[in-house]
Amino acid sequence: DAKTTQPTSMDCAEGRAANLPCNHSTISGNEYVYWYRQIHSQGPQYIIHGLKNNETNEMASLIITEDRKSSTLILPHATLRDTAVYYCIVNNNDMRFGAGTRLTVKP
Amino acid sequence: GAVVSQHPSRVICKSGTSVKIECRSLDFQATTMFWYRQFPKQSLMLMATSNEGSKATYEQGVEKDKFLINHASLTLSTLTVTSAHPEDSSFYICSAERDRGTEAFFGQGTRLTVV
Repeated sequence: DAKTTQPTSMDCAEGRAANLPCNHSTISGNEYVYWYRQIHSQGPQYIIHGLKNNETNEMASLIITEDRKSSTLILPHATLRDTAVYYCIVNNNDMRFGAGTRLTVKP
Repeated sequence: GAVVSQHPSRVICKSGTSVKIECRSLDFQATTMFWYRQFPKQSLMLMATSNEGSKATYEQGVEKDKFLINHASLTLSTLTVTSAHPEDSSFYICSAERDRGTEAFFGQGTRLTVV
């Protein structure tokens, strides 16, 4: 079973920041938080991961709370092509996906 | 990012026949590969985890004799759906990791239709 909880769906206006939350209250001390996304009818795509420090790459930023029980994926300037299902995973060892958040970026 | 190639992308087969799906890591050696099945409007369901040179570990409820997984090298894993039936029609996806527990890279998926 997935160890994360995410909202089912979210909308975001094009050009605005998309903030996708994830709760992982049972995360263990050595488990990383990974984010992937799946655009319709494609294989998922790796976005970013982190342990306890905030991380940023060319795709997104990841903010992890100090107690590590939740995190937020930030897409700073969402585009229509960011419309996808976003999955948060902890413990990449077993790679089980939850239901994810369906993000719709609207013009 | 690393590239994982999955082939074929789409296949239609007759009920009772077998279908083989290949998953290749093109520019890295994958110690671990995963196979998933995804039905419409649902999340990915992990079917099995395979490590090169050893038997795959199947998830509960996944028949190992029906879904044969062979991870013969560090760059290739295959999934064979044996005696396929219409209920096996689904989107099958593989992923590969350089090292266990690191980021996974996914194939583009295979849409299997059994008629």
